[in-house]
Amino acid sequence: DAGVTQSPTHLIKTRGQQVTLRCSPISGHKSVSWYQQVLGQGPQFIFQYYEKEERGRGNFPDRFSARQFPNYSSELNVNALLLGDSALYLCASSYRGRNNEKLFFGSGTQLSVL
Amino acid sequence: AQSVTQLGSHVSVSEGALVLLRCNYSSSVPPYLFWYVQYPNQGLQLLLKYTSAATLVKGINGFEAEFKKSETSFHLTKPSAHMSDSAEYLCAVSEYNFNKFYFGSGTKLNVKP
Repeated sequence: DAGVTQSPTHLIKTRGQQVTLRCSPISGHKSVSWYQQVLGQGPQFIFQYYEKEERGRGNFPDRFSARQFPNYSSELNVNALLLGDSALYLCASSYRGRNNEKLFFGSGTQLSVL
Repeated sequence: AQSVTQLGSHVSVSEGALVLLRCNYSSSVPPYLFWYVQYPNQGLQLLLKYTSAATLVKGINGFEAEFKKSETSFHLTKPSAHMSDSAEYLCAVSEYNFNKFYFGSGTKLNVKP
């Protein structure tokens, strides 16, 4: 079975641009979460979706938005990019998004903002 | 909000030596705790998780962790380090009721020959 897949793997943008990152969860998983990992730090929670509904949002500005589609895949959008948005963006999936479930992570999208 | 503290951003041990990576958490309710490993250019892979069934948790690759409520700790150990254990290790606690994870800042383990 395929794991969590993310695209693209690498992306270079300039300040002020907009970016869309994509994630396909493990087959059968209905919950998708997004994390931002800045170099030298642990991942920071951005969003969690379950059955196409937003269940949680981290401490990120409104420039960050996401959605989940009927097939449970997800997109993360970031508008008006800042240099500080440069990071590894990780997508994770789980079956029902409960706190005792482990998260399965994709390899991430490395975003560089110049 | 919950938080996780990992003492020591870099740990270096010799091959065959004991590995001890420290993790302390703050949680007002019984937590679910996880250790993940991250290899360069790869996603996070689960090593083990604590969900209140047993305080000593065994994971993959010979790693284990002990939950100590009185110390609010969940330290990761391995009796004998391998070169292949060189990676970044992340401790995490999940939010009550849904799996929003709070990660520590990570510990880079370097195993020397």
